[in-house]
Formats: sequence, structure tokens, C-alpha cells
Amino acid sequence: AQSVAQPEDQVNVAEGNPLTVKCTYSVSGNPYLFWYVQYPNRGLQFLLKYITGDNLVKGSYGFEAEFNKSQTSFHLKKPSALVSDSALYFCAVRVLFGNEKLTFGTGTRLTIIP
Amino acid sequence: DAGVIQSPRHEVTEMGQEVTLRCKPISGHNSLFWYRQTMMRGLELLIYFNNNVPIDDSGMPEDRFSAKMPNASFSTLKIQPSEPRDSAVYFCASSMRQRNEKLFFGSGTQLSVL
Repeated sequence: AQSVAQPEDQVNVAEGNPLTVKCTYSVSGNPYLFWYVQYPNRGLQFLLKYITGDNLVKGSYGFEAEFNKSQTSFHLKKPSALVSDSALYFCAVRVLFGNEKLTFGTGTRLTIIP
Repeated sequence: DAGVIQSPRHEVTEMGQEVTLRCKPISGHNSLFWYRQTMMRGLELLIYFNNNVPIDDSGMPEDRFSAKMPNASFSTLKIQPSEPRDSAVYFCASSMRQRNEKLFFGSGTQLSVL
């Protein structure tokens, strides 16, 4: 079985400060990892993904994520937070080259304080 | 492209009534997913199709739930009879399986069963 844990329901960051949203995963096989963002009353939007290669992946809106195999983590980061980054963020995992079933974490609500 | 289109945006019904949710995937996408989002359980995969064939329906909660994909451009999720605990936001998503692509989500259907 595959699973994702997002240990923080809520993260508050001051505007301009760096932000981190945490994610750990469990999967049988090589992971295929994603971050999605959800704005109010909208569907999820893709931010970035990790398949193989460089452990630091860059995505939309200045976000990046660091894959750490030994810690089975895939934390989302941004060097300088904007108020417009306030949203619900989901980490997701599936098995690379396996079943297409994508398992999501419970989400982390990110609030950027002006 | 108009993206993934779901209808209706909102549905309010009484317990025991039949509910049908509709989804039109992005043209050319050959995988379609139905997810349910609630505060308590987060995002749950209900069922997914590949080339109009159901591949994994292990997330369908009960026999009251059924899903069909009669052609590449249309899918339905039916609940009969509906119950108050079915109240949630139901999302449809599509992707291109061969390219290991990300999911594109619709805006969701907010279902309220009274």
C-alpha cells in the first residue's frame, strides 16, 4: 500500500520569509511524487513533480521541492513567501511505472501573513 | 482547451434521491479519475478508468455508488440512494497515461444531501 503524511494541518509564515511544507511518503517501489495546490472553490492545480534525477525540483510560482530518499521525504519550499501563496497544499505519491493510482496526503493549509 | 468540465457545480438533494455527477475530460486524455474530498477523510480516489475501462474501483464506498465511462469524452458518477454522509466535493481529473502526465482537475461538484 502507498501513503502520504503531511504532519502539519496549518503553517503560518510571514510575507517575505522562507516557507516549508512537509511531506513524507511510503510506497513499494520507486516513488513518483507530486505537489498540488488548491485555491478556494477550485480544483487542484499541479505545482511540480519528481520522477528521477536531481533531488531538487523546481515548479510553478517559484516553488521547489527536495526529494530525500533516506528520509522518504519530499518537502515543498519557497525562498520568499507571498500573500498570494496562501492556499491548501497537497503532496501525492504513486509507484513509478506502476498503477496510476495517486494517493494524496490530507493537505496543509498555508497562510502567509502580511 | 476548456480543461476538465464537471456538472453541476452544486447539487442539493434529499436523502434517498438519485444523484448523477458528470465529467468531460480534456480531449485526448485517456485516463479519468473520480475523487471525493471531505474535511474528515481528505481526498479519496473512488475509481479510475483507462481507455474507458474501469481499472481500480476499490475506493468506491458502497454498492450505492457506480461510475461509467461510455466514451472517451464523458463519464458519470451515480449515487443511488444518496445519504447525508455522501455530502462532499466530488472531483473529476484526467491525464495522458502514456506520458506519465500530471492530473488535470475539474472545479468539482459540491454535493449536499439533506
